[in-house]
Amino acid sequence: GQQLNQSPQSMFIQEGEDVSMNCTSSSIFNTWLWYKQDPGEGPVLLIALYKAGELTSNGRLTAQFGITRKDSFLNISASIPSDVGIYFCAEGGSQGNLIFGKGTKLSVKP
Amino acid sequence: DAGVTQSPTHLIKTRGQQVTLRCSPISGHKSVSWYQQVLGQGPQFIFQYYEKEERGRGNFPDRFSARQFPNYSSELNVNALLLGDSALYLCASSLPGQGLGGYTFGSGTRLTVV
Repeated sequence: GQQLNQSPQSMFIQEGEDVSMNCTSSSIFNTWLWYKQDPGEGPVLLIALYKAGELTSNGRLTAQFGITRKDSFLNISASIPSDVGIYFCAEGGSQGNLIFGKGTKLSVKP
Repeated sequence: DAGVTQSPTHLIKTRGQQVTLRCSPISGHKSVSWYQQVLGQGPQFIFQYYEKEERGRGNFPDRFSARQFPNYSSELNVNALLLGDSALYLCASSLPGQGLGGYTFGSGTRLTVV
């Protein structure tokens, strides 16, 4: 079955740092989506990518759809405290559903 | 406009009991999907309904069932609850033709089975 591998599983950030996370798949897909989930809430769409090689920004967030169509990365520049949360990559399943990775948890350095 | 609303927000059930979770989509959205999110994992697809018909089903046992009403709201039913059914249950709605990026999620129902 389809599997999405997200890394890292967790990371600590200090305000102002840049953050990078990625997602790889065992299969080729036509869509990559990045979501953020805050505690007690549902996932919220950050960026959607529909074409291999596509680079898209949303404020301080930038995501790219890998050329091989098997990977994607998400960068956050100049992180702020409200960036903490869990970030999920997702792609399309055979039934028009979403398949999610296990998430990357962003926390603030103590 | 109200977003996707789910009720109840939290509930506790005993093993073997049955539970019904409810979802109201965004006004105008005709497609509703259900996802289960176990602690520490990403959401997993359970069902998708469009125009009151089941359009997709994930790898879940027959204890899980759902339906969609004429007003496009939806219910998820789980029978014979197991401890492993404890999870956040998410509902998402979308307009037809919006594609995968068109899903809007509710805040979920946190189900605890004891």
